Amino acid sequence: AQSVTQLDSHVSVSEGTPVLLRCNYSSSYSPSLFWYVQHPNKGLQLLLKYTSAATLVKGINGFEAEFKKSETSFHLTKPSAHMSDAAEYFCVVSERTNDKIIFGKGTRLHILP
Amino acid sequence: DAGVIQSPRHEVTEMGQEVTLRCKLISGHNSLFWYRQTMMRGLELLIYFNNNVPIDDSGMPEDRFSAKMPNASFSTLKIQPSEPRDSAVYFCASSLGQVNPSTDTQYFGPGTRLTVL
Repeated sequence: AQSVTQLDSHVSVSEGTPVLLRCNYSSSYSPSLFWYVQHPNKGLQLLLKYTSAATLVKGINGFEAEFKKSETSFHLTKPSAHMSDAAEYFCVVSERTNDKIIFGKGTRLHILP
Repeated sequence: DAGVIQSPRHEVTEMGQEVTLRCKLISGHNSLFWYRQTMMRGLELLIYFNNNVPIDDSGMPEDRFSAKMPNASFSTLKIQPSEPRDSAVYFCASSLGQVNPSTDTQYFGPGTRLTVL
């Protein structure tokens, strides 16, 4: 069975500095991995997803994530934070071989002016 | 397309009452997901359907909760009887669901904020 761990519940960065949100996963087979973002009082929106194609995945709003099988990681990065990036971010893992979809507990990103 | 539509957006009810939350899928989507979000428990997947068939209902808390898809484009989540601990934001999401619904991109609705007094 698969699992996902978001290593930080809160991350604070200054505007204009890089963002790193960490996600480790466990999967018996080839996983599909997702990052979703939730702005305050809104539903979730897909940022990017990995489904066994290129290991470096580019998403919306300048975010990207790299699938590293050897490290079982799928960390989310952005070169320069913007105030509008303040939100909660969820890492998600699923497998084609079963019907389970596992959400991480979320990382709340704070942007300091 | 209008996206996933949820109603009502806010619901306040008293303990013991029946509550019904509604969700309309994006046209052409075949999978439907129900989630619950609270500060204490975070985001929980309750149940999801593909082509009107429940695929994984392991997240449904107890028998007081039931979810149905009376047709391909509409779903209800019912809580009977409701309890204060059911207070949460309930989201539904839909996806294409043509091959592997668990690996599809999900499109979320705006949520229903439920308060049980």
